[in-house]
This record gives sequence, structure tokens and C-alpha cells, in this order.
Amino acid sequence: KAGVTQTPRYLIKTRGQQVTLSCSPISGHRSVSWYQQTPGQGLQFLFEYFSETQRNKGNFPGRFSGRQFSNSRSEMNVSTLELGDSALYLCASSLIGEGWDEQFFGPGTRLTVL
Amino acid sequence: DAKTTQPNSMESNEEEPVHLPCNHSTISGTDYIHWYRQLPSQGPEYVIHGLTSNVNNRMASLAIAEDRKSSTLILHRATLRDAAVYYCILQNRDDKIIFGKGTRLHILP
Repeated sequence: KAGVTQTPRYLIKTRGQQVTLSCSPISGHRSVSWYQQTPGQGLQFLFEYFSETQRNKGNFPGRFSGRQFSNSRSEMNVSTLELGDSALYLCASSLIGEGWDEQFFGPGTRLTVL
Repeated sequence: DAKTTQPNSMESNEEEPVHLPCNHSTISGTDYIHWYRQLPSQGPEYVIHGLTSNVNNRMASLAIAEDRKSSTLILHRATLRDAAVYYCILQNRDDKIIFGKGTRLHILP
């Protein structure tokens, strides 16, 4: 079956702009999590959605937001981009997001903010 | 703050076993221990997970201490393709997931 897909794969924006990233989970998976990966901070959890509701949230400012649709596809939005938002944004899906649930990661979206 | 502590890097010879340690002294009763690895230029991939008992799968084995405050990922016969960053994380439904910096594993031919 198809894996987790993320679009776009690469994105270049300028400071102050906003961006929307998309994630399509594996068919049947209802939990979608988003992560930010930078060389300095490593992999940091942004938020998790399950059945269109945000269930867990990391320590990121309100400029970072997300949503999940009824088909489990998810989007994350970053408003008023800053240089420090340049990162690889990874999406992961799992069946229902329980502790025992395996996460399947997508290839990521590489965002560069100039 | 990371809930797990791992060595920054480790080295191993090809075709030898590798034991990657992880400390998680504040683990709660509902936390599952998961290991993921990230190969260069790829997203992380699942390796193995467990709750209390030791676990084996085709990729690796997971040894969990009796008090659950530490665990060890065992690669039985390392190959060059196992060179990656290995992350030990605690996962439960009701809490955010925190990845630490992981252990960068180098395999020497």
C-alpha cells in the first residue's frame, strides 16, 4: 500500500509570508503527527491530530497551526514566517495513535525561509 | 526536555552485534518504548517497540530492564546499511512525543 505522502517536497518562502504543507496518511490511518527537524534542535513534535481533533501539542508558538480533514489528510500552516522556521517538516501517520502504534513517516517537506 | 537519554554516537564493526542503550528513568506505566532510526536524507522508520517484555522482530531485539528505566536495542549483525541515527522514545496516546538527539551509529567495514 502507498506510504505517507507530503507535498510539496521543497518550498522557498520569504520572511513574513505564510505557508501550508500537506500530508496524506496511509489509507486507514486516523492519527497524523507533525514534526519539525533542524540540525540544532533535532526532531521536535508539533502536534497530533486524530479524528479531526488536535489531541496533543508541542511547545511551538501559535504561528504554527494544523488541521485534519474527514479523510484523515492533514495540513499544517505557518504564518508570519521567520528565518528560524527553515527546517524539514515531517508528517507521520499511525492507525489510532495509541502507545503501541507504529508511526510511518513521510519523506518530509524542506522549507527554506529567506 | 527529552524523556530519554542516549549516547551521542557509537561505533561498531560490520557483522558484529551492536547494543544501543537508552535511559528513561521517568517512564510511566502507560509509556511504550519505541525505537526508530533515520537514514541519511530519509524520514525516520520504525524499528521495534515494547512495554515490559523483551521483543524480537526481523530487524532487531529490544531488551527492557525489569524496572523499565532503561532499555537496549540490539542489532544482531550490523551491516553498513544500519548506519543511521537511532532514536529511543516513549510513546503514549495522551502525551506529546519527544525525540531526543538520538545515537549516531557508525559501522566500520
